[in-house]
Amino acid sequence: DGGITQSPKYLFRKEGQNVTLSCEQNLNHDAMYWYRQDPGQGLRLIYYSQIVNDFQKGDIAEGYSVSREKKESFPLTVTSAQKNPTAFYLCASSTGYGYTFGSGTRLTVV
Amino acid sequence: AQSVTQLGSHVSVSEGALVLLRCNYSSSVPPYLFWYVQYPNQGLQLLLKYTSAATLVKGINGFEAEFKKSETSFHLTKPSAHMSDAAEYFCAVSDPGGGADGLTFGKGTHLIIQP
Repeated sequence: DGGITQSPKYLFRKEGQNVTLSCEQNLNHDAMYWYRQDPGQGLRLIYYSQIVNDFQKGDIAEGYSVSREKKESFPLTVTSAQKNPTAFYLCASSTGYGYTFGSGTRLTVV
Repeated sequence: AQSVTQLGSHVSVSEGALVLLRCNYSSSVPPYLFWYVQYPNQGLQLLLKYTSAATLVKGINGFEAEFKKSETSFHLTKPSAHMSDAAEYFCAVSDPGGGADGLTFGKGTHLIIQP
């Protein structure tokens, strides 16, 4: 079945370390997105990519970086510059007619 | 810029009662509108979407929503609540055409079902 796979489901990171969250889709969707979810805040857009080798900043891109070398993959790196990285991260892809979401990665800084 | 306001961060209803979750949007052009449901530590599942066709949209699990342009609203309803409806619900908006620049979400409403 087609879908989006996010890994790992839970991730722990020490302060000052970079960490990369994986997002892979086999839906053949052109566009992919990363959202951050905090309690009571809804989902906020971090980065998005509408085509391979191109991506744009969302509303809260500071402290994050992405790459889009393959249509299927859109990894997110949480850098040490992100001051409050503990959150639930959701990846999504879209054809333009609907969005499909992954099951998320919960990142905790320890 | 688009925005979404969900009235009530928590809504509590009795099992079998009407569910009403409120969503108002702000957009300079007629938008596409979505309702998603999220269970703990999971991704988002689409309940229904409005894409400028019929103003009354029927979704999965007995939910429906009505687009009211004059009120800039897209409230979600279900005639009879079930215990399995307890979850977080998000209203979202995109520009017409599907929102290649991403969805804008409300802050969510936590639905509590009382037995």
